[in-house]
Amino acid sequence: GQNIDQPTEMTATEGAIVQINCTYQTSGFNGLFWYQQHAGEAPTFLSYNVLDGLEEKGRFSSFLSRSKGYSYLLLKELQMKDSASYLCAVKGGDYKLSFGAGTTVTVRA
Amino acid sequence: IAGITQAPTSQILAAGRRMTLRCTQDMRHNAMYWYRQDLGLGLRLIHYSNTAGTTGKGEVPDGYSVSRANTDDFPLTLASAVPSQTSVYFCASSKGTENSPLHFGNGTRLTVT
Repeated sequence: GQNIDQPTEMTATEGAIVQINCTYQTSGFNGLFWYQQHAGEAPTFLSYNVLDGLEEKGRFSSFLSRSKGYSYLLLKELQMKDSASYLCAVKGGDYKLSFGAGTTVTVRA
Repeated sequence: IAGITQAPTSQILAAGRRMTLRCTQDMRHNAMYWYRQDLGLGLRLIHYSNTAGTTGKGEVPDGYSVSRANTDDFPLTLASAVPSQTSVYFCASSKGTENSPLHFGNGTRLTVT
């Protein structure tokens, strides 16, 4: 089975940086994805990591350490529109994508 | 605009009734998926299809069935709804390659009373 853990909630100030951690224990590994989901909407793809290291996409970066079963999503220069849930998802050895419960980020002015 | 269309948007259903949630994609993606999302549990995979004509069971398949007669359509059927099937259901598709992300529909909010 898959076990994916991430914090339930985080709060940060507009303009600040927030780091959302994700730890996982899976049967095999074929990549880690981060999704953003605004309340009442569908999840949308943010990033993909399959090799160790940092992937940067504008204000968002994602890091992976396969040996530690660990990833983080870094959100820089926070904006009010970044208030959302952030979902960590791991593609296991069976190539199925399993999701963590999500981290709700609240950005305050 | 290319994407995934789910219908209905929301539905209230009496327990014991049969219900089919519809999902259509126009991106010619090979793989399609059904997830349910419940508070505190995240998205859980119900059934999936890697290509037209094939289907497989996910993490929580009991009480649900799917078919994949063609590339575009992937309906999810609840044969006899129960209150525990109250949830938000998301259909998704992907190219099916290792690094291809899922594209989600807007979801169906189902309440079983």
